[in-house]
Amino acid sequence: AQSVTQLDSHVSVSEGTPVLLRCNYSSSYSPSLFWYVQHPNKGLQLLLKYTSAATLVKGINGFEAEFKKSETSFHLTKPSAHMSDAAEYFCVAGGTSYGKLTFGQGTILTVHP
Amino acid sequence: ETGVTQSPTHLIKTRGQQVTLRCSSQSGHNTVSWYQQALGQGPQFIFQYYREEENGRGNFPPRFSGLQFPNYSSELNVNALELDDSALYLCASSSTGTGDYNEQFFGPGTRLTVL
Repeated sequence: AQSVTQLDSHVSVSEGTPVLLRCNYSSSYSPSLFWYVQHPNKGLQLLLKYTSAATLVKGINGFEAEFKKSETSFHLTKPSAHMSDAAEYFCVAGGTSYGKLTFGQGTILTVHP
Repeated sequence: ETGVTQSPTHLIKTRGQQVTLRCSSQSGHNTVSWYQQALGQGPQFIFQYYREEENGRGNFPPRFSGLQFPNYSSELNVNALELDDSALYLCASSSTGTGDYNEQFFGPGTRLTVL
């Protein structure tokens, strides 16, 4: 069985400051890991994915995530927050034989002017 | 390239009724997964369909059932609706052909309210 824990339910930053959204995973094998973003009343959009090719993964809109096996973490970062980044972010693990995704509880990112 | 579409966008039902939600997969995708997202929570995996067969199931009772059609579109049926079934239902499509069946593309969801 695998599980995903997002360490913060809410994160608040000022525009132009760095963003850090934390995620730990638990899995008996090396999973695929993803970050998705969900804007209000919209579907989930894939930000980036880790599939063992490189531990530092670059995604869309300036987001990055680093896979650290020793810490079982996959934190999402962005150097400078923009107002349009305000949304809910989900850390997700895949890797079962049929592609079931396991979601974290989500982190709501608020960006202040 | 057409993305994942779902219908209807909103639905209101009463306890005990039955509901059918529909999903059209992204062009070129042959696998459809369904997720339930209760308010304030992350999506939970319901089941996945591949080649018109159920290919995996989460911890949901049998009154949650599905179909996949030859054109890869899919339906989610829920019988004997309960208040706790109120949620956003998300459909996601993927392709086994890419070798990364985990990369799933989501539709906008159907918001189901059970009164």
